[in-house]
Amino acid sequence: GAVVSQHPSRVICKSGTSVKIECRSLDFQATTMFWYRQFPKKSLMLMATSNEGSKATYEQGVEKDKFLINHASLTLSTLTVTSAHPEDSSFYICSARNIFSYEQYFGPGTRLTVT
Amino acid sequence: AQTVTQSQPEMSVQEAETVTLSCTYDTSENNYYLFWYKQPPSRQMILVIRQEAYKQQNATENRFSVNFQKAAKSFSLKISDSQLGDTAMYFCAPPETGNQFYFGTGTSLTVIP
Repeated sequence: GAVVSQHPSRVICKSGTSVKIECRSLDFQATTMFWYRQFPKKSLMLMATSNEGSKATYEQGVEKDKFLINHASLTLSTLTVTSAHPEDSSFYICSARNIFSYEQYFGPGTRLTVT
Repeated sequence: AQTVTQSQPEMSVQEAETVTLSCTYDTSENNYYLFWYKQPPSRQMILVIRQEAYKQQNATENRFSVNFQKAAKSFSLKISDSQLGDTAMYFCAPPETGNQFYFGTGTSLTVIP
């Protein structure tokens, strides 16, 4: 199946700093990528839908100025958590969608810890 | 707004036995895709099976099969000959709406040796 990489897998940062998470589709072009947040033992919560070459669509309650999403190419989307706070600590997962089969291929996730 | 319900937060099954995970959803679409994903302890999301709504035949992938009831908007997953590696969270993904994917709350499945 298709491969999606996510980097870094783990990151610890200090409160007030910004962190960038990269999501790459390695063997197919993804016009649409998704960013999710997952709390322990909970489901994936959709944060935003990232479309190549256009602005991301954010879910209700997700601050677009805090969670900056850039989808500058067909293989790369980035999520930047700006001015991170401890409550932003979470597991973030990206996915890329196959436009023909509608399947989502997921990255391995990023564990963010804000101290 | 679309909704999806997984009514079984936790389930367990003896190794080699069969278990069925339920999922119901709501949609106004007629043609769509449905998916089941599993998330093992590694937290990597893995596609288990896909069903296309226009196909009457239920999808099957080795030990995994679905019971798709379009009129009832039901999409259950059956795991036969359960194996220890099947222990995971299982998420039902309902029909995509407006380029957005929303997952069910998940079912935590434990396979008991």
